[in-house]
Amino acid sequence: QSVLTQPPSVSAAPGQKVNISCSGSSSNIGNNNVSWYQQLPGTAPKLLIYENNKRPSGIPDRFSGSKSGTSVTLGIAGLQTGDEADYYCGTWESTVGAGVFGGGTKLTVL
Amino acid sequence: EVQLLESGGGLVQPGGSLTLSCAASGFTFSNYAMTWVRQAPGKGLEWVAAISDSGVGTYYGDSVKGRFTISRDNSKNTVYVQMNSLRAEDTALYYCVKDRCRSGSCSVLDYWGQGILVTVSS
Repeated sequence: QSVLTQPPSVSAAPGQKVNISCSGSSSNIGNNNVSWYQQLPGTAPKLLIYENNKRPSGIPDRFSGSKSGTSVTLGIAGLQTGDEADYYCGTWESTVGAGVFGGGTKLTVL
Repeated sequence: EVQLLESGGGLVQPGGSLTLSCAASGFTFSNYAMTWVRQAPGKGLEWVAAISDSGVGTYYGDSVKGRFTISRDNSKNTVYVQMNSLRAEDTALYYCVKDRCRSGSCSVLDYWGQGILVTVSS
């Protein structure tokens, strides 16, 4: 049972937009910045979004992040088949002093 | 180019010990916190431990607290995790990860190694 809650799977057609949610509490998302990671099949995760809505160099602006209270959302616009991957949210859990991840969301581009 | 190369994995019996190493290059190692993240076969990511840039601050996930010890040698650009009292549930791919921050307590993981497999089995 992960501290951060994500839907196990989402799907959408190529070219469409999908949102992936991640909910937590005041001790994690509510008072800390959140990152999003993309894990393509058979590869190591990659940082997509940090500090809730910032993109590292090289990440296309099709990927966006937002935060409201104790929840965050990753948006992926103009879906491509190459976006099929597992997506994880992550942040700091202040009560125990450790990092935490969501359970991950598998994106299928139909 | 940032490179993180893990070593030291393998098969170990329950109750045994293993030390993983991660050699870093391509950035000023002593300016950044480092983290270990693991992924059991077919499962999601689990945050394991982090260490601040200086090595003074260390942080552990509940499942490994008291059994794992993270350390670093800034003169060798290397971070370690010593794993004791290993259990079957510690079987996973272990990733060495660079943090964007210095403290170890912000968990923005910007560069990942390819991972190294640890199997705990008799």
